[in-house]
Amino acid sequence: AQKITQTQPGMFVQEKEAVTLDCTYDTSDPSYGLFWYKQPSSGEMIFLIYQGSYDQQNATEGRYSLNFQKARKSANLVISASQLGDSAMYFCAMREAAGNKLTFGGGTRVLVKP
Amino acid sequence: ETGVTQTPRHLVMGMTNKKSLKCEQHLGHNAMYWYKQSAKKPLELMFVYNFKEQTENNSVPSRFSPECPNSSHLFLHLHTLQPEDSALYLCASSLLAVGDNQPQHFGDGTRLSIL
Repeated sequence: AQKITQTQPGMFVQEKEAVTLDCTYDTSDPSYGLFWYKQPSSGEMIFLIYQGSYDQQNATEGRYSLNFQKARKSANLVISASQLGDSAMYFCAMREAAGNKLTFGGGTRVLVKP
Repeated sequence: ETGVTQTPRHLVMGMTNKKSLKCEQHLGHNAMYWYKQSAKKPLELMFVYNFKEQTENNSVPSRFSPECPNSSHLFLHLHTLQPEDSALYLCASSLLAVGDNQPQHFGDGTRLSIL
């Protein structure tokens, strides 16, 4: 069964606007962490933001924020004030406390238009 | 600077060649990972090393042979590869191999093409 689902294969967003990238996950482990990574065309995977399953507040990191809805098992990434340099693939990932695997979703390609 | 350095960035090899990918991390981490990223497929975990010991082999064919001489260096030795092995190979490291709050830091990857 797919543990991480990203339903949006690609999105266009206007420069300076906000964009929300969807991510749903499936786990029976009560303790887990959710991560978002950015992968530009050059290939490197850049860690953006982390949300723990027991965190009461939604994580924020500069222009990135995570809309964590635990009951719905969703962890959407919000990028505010989009910049041209935000054009990249974005991956949602989950790590269960019981294991050492980081499981990735299929990714969402974001293209920021000037 | 990512803190995780992979060489080479690009590699083209024939099916009968033997080559090695190298990964080095300068972050003081104890766990290192190899991932394979093929076109239109999610990132696939290949191997996990924790304090130099292999803790995970995700059913990887024996033509891929990892080596971890110390916590800072990780190699992937390649021999007799197949065309379907063409992909981006990413190395990552984290402070520990277990624990749900440990982000993994990735290198830039080696783009491998098998002729």
